Amino acid sequence: GAVVSQHPSWVICKSGTSVKIECRSLDFQATTMFWYRQFPKQSLMLMATSNEGSKATYEQGVEKDKFLINHASLTLSTLTVTSAHPEDSSFYICSAATSSYNEQFFGPGTRLTVL
Amino acid sequence: TQLLEQSPQFLSIQEGENLTVYCNSSSVFSSLQWYRQEPGEGPVLLVTVVTGGEVKKLKRLTFQFGDARKDSSLHITAAQPGDTGLYLCAGAGTGAGSYQLTFGKGTKLSVIP
Repeated sequence: GAVVSQHPSWVICKSGTSVKIECRSLDFQATTMFWYRQFPKQSLMLMATSNEGSKATYEQGVEKDKFLINHASLTLSTLTVTSAHPEDSSFYICSAATSSYNEQFFGPGTRLTVL
Repeated sequence: TQLLEQSPQFLSIQEGENLTVYCNSSSVFSSLQWYRQEPGEGPVLLVTVVTGGEVKKLKRLTFQFGDARKDSSLHITAAQPGDTGLYLCAGAGTGAGSYQLTFGKGTKLSVIP
């Protein structure tokens, strides 16, 4: 149980285009979903916290107009990187939280490369 | 702001050796999770500890939560090459927004055959 999927697993795009990443909890309903960014050889950096049906809460320094988050249901959250630039290239990981002990279950990640 | 200090940052050991990874904080956590991450993949939850002083075992891995719920350790006995990976500790807060996790910087473990 507690499986989270992410799609796509990798994407290459041109500078200036927008990219959408989907995060789904497959066998449970997630009260909250999170989006992280991870640079090589570093730990996870929380970008935003998302609750179904409400606006996402962004961490300091994360541009909400650039990283659009939509949490349409208890099993789906999407992250759209708008007008992507090479500095947005990174490994993006989502997680879904259950209510028990605040455990988070992570998706497999999406490698974004902006040319 | 809660901080979680994880050490060591890098660890390279021979197969069969024992090792311990530490996570320390001045903050109290309602629970603490340990994850393992392979390159190019998302972290996989290994264990959650909730009660102060709690000890959990997962085969050759032993996890301990400090009595005051401010620190935790991961001990691996007779490490195997398959244990290689990035180990992350993450603490859940006790107040509003407690769904958020505070992550340590990770311990990159390499077990040499």
